[in-house]
Amino acid sequence: DTAVSQTPKYLVTQMGNDKSIKCEQNLGHDTMYWYKQDSKKFLKIMFSYNNKELIINETVPNRFSPKSPDKAHLNLHINSLELGDSAVYFCASSQDQVTSYNEQFFGPGTRLTVL
Amino acid sequence: AQSVTQLDSHVSVSEGTPVLLRCNYSSSYSPSLFWYVQHPNKGLQLLLKYTSAATLVKGINGFEAEFKKSETSFHLTKPSAHMSDAAEYFCVVSDPAGTYKYIFGTGTRLKVLA
Repeated sequence: DTAVSQTPKYLVTQMGNDKSIKCEQNLGHDTMYWYKQDSKKFLKIMFSYNNKELIINETVPNRFSPKSPDKAHLNLHINSLELGDSAVYFCASSQDQVTSYNEQFFGPGTRLTVL
Repeated sequence: AQSVTQLDSHVSVSEGTPVLLRCNYSSSYSPSLFWYVQHPNKGLQLLLKYTSAATLVKGINGFEAEFKKSETSFHLTKPSAHMSDAAEYFCVVSDPAGTYKYIFGTGTRLKVLA
């Protein structure tokens, strides 16, 4: 069984389009995250939700809007895509966000290419 | 502020020889530290974590790491490299300032030579 799943795995689109990436976890975790991995493999957190409530919102353009319909799902919608948005986006989940040593479980990633 | 420095962006070893991937951290608090591995075109998998219990932490696939507070280090080691160990390795510190968000190092690409 896949613990954290993301769709689609690959996404190729034109500049200016709007696209969404979906994430689901079946671990019963309370907290979910979105990360961006750039071309140099650097990983940085974008957002985190705990029980459908936004708890981390890093300095991310407001073209990016996360949505959590329930605690098992965290989707990422991106408006007006730009070339610099090309990256691999990872979803992750953890038991909660009040314990420092809770490990995060990562999805397989979505490779977004903006042409 | 918390930070993590991975001292080597690339490490090459021969199959069967020891692996050492270096990580130094900066933290005002007693940190939680993690090592993750990312194989090509895959997600991240936890190798091991330090949570202020034993300073020598054993992980999966024969990896281990030692927390050294005096040196602010958390280096990852393995006695004998396998070809399947070739991957990107990330050292991570959990930021205790309220949200425990992960702060990643810049990664070390491990190459294993036959």
